[in-house]
Amino acid sequence: AQSVAQPEDQVNVAEGNPLTVKCTYSVSGNPYLFWYVQYPNRGLQFLLKYITGDNLVKGSYGFEAEFNKSQTSFHLKKPSALVSDSALYFCAVRDSGYSTLTFGKGTMLLVSP
Amino acid sequence: EAGVAQSPRYKIIEKRQSVAFWCNPISGHATLYWYQQILGQGPKLLIQFQNNGVVDDSQLPKDRFSAERLKGVDSTLKIQPAKLEDSAVYLCASSLEAGNEKLFFGSGTQLSVL
Repeated sequence: AQSVAQPEDQVNVAEGNPLTVKCTYSVSGNPYLFWYVQYPNRGLQFLLKYITGDNLVKGSYGFEAEFNKSQTSFHLKKPSALVSDSALYFCAVRDSGYSTLTFGKGTMLLVSP
Repeated sequence: EAGVAQSPRYKIIEKRQSVAFWCNPISGHATLYWYQQILGQGPKLLIQFQNNGVVDDSQLPKDRFSAERLKGVDSTLKIQPAKLEDSAVYLCASSLEAGNEKLFFGSGTQLSVL
């Protein structure tokens, strides 16, 4: 079985400050990890993914995520938040031996001016 | 390129009525997914098609939900009869192939069952 947890319902950060959105996962085999973002009245958009290799992956809009195998985590980060980053962020996982994604419940990111 | 198209955008029905949602994936995408997103939760996979064959429908309530993918392109998801707990956003997504992790999502159909 595969599962993913996003422990925070909401993250608040001031514009210009660094942001972190947390995600932990559970899989039987090797994890394939993803972040998606959902802006109001729009569909989910792919941000980035980790399959293998460098533990720090870079994605769209200046976001990056750090894979930590020992902590089974895949936290989303950005060095300097923008008000336009305010959206709903979903972490997702797929076990290497399974073909479908399991999504977390989402974390609302609010960036204040 | 055109994105994933879904219709209708909104639908309000009474319980025990039937409803159908339509999805047109990105051209050339072999894999199509239907997800259910209940308010405050993440998307939950209902069914995955590879071309016009079903890959995974383990979480589809088959007593009331059905889906088909015509000629491996468009897809329709139907609920009959609807229950109050079916109120959710129904998302369609497509990808080039199964196991391709970059899914492209439509804007969804928001269903309210009264």
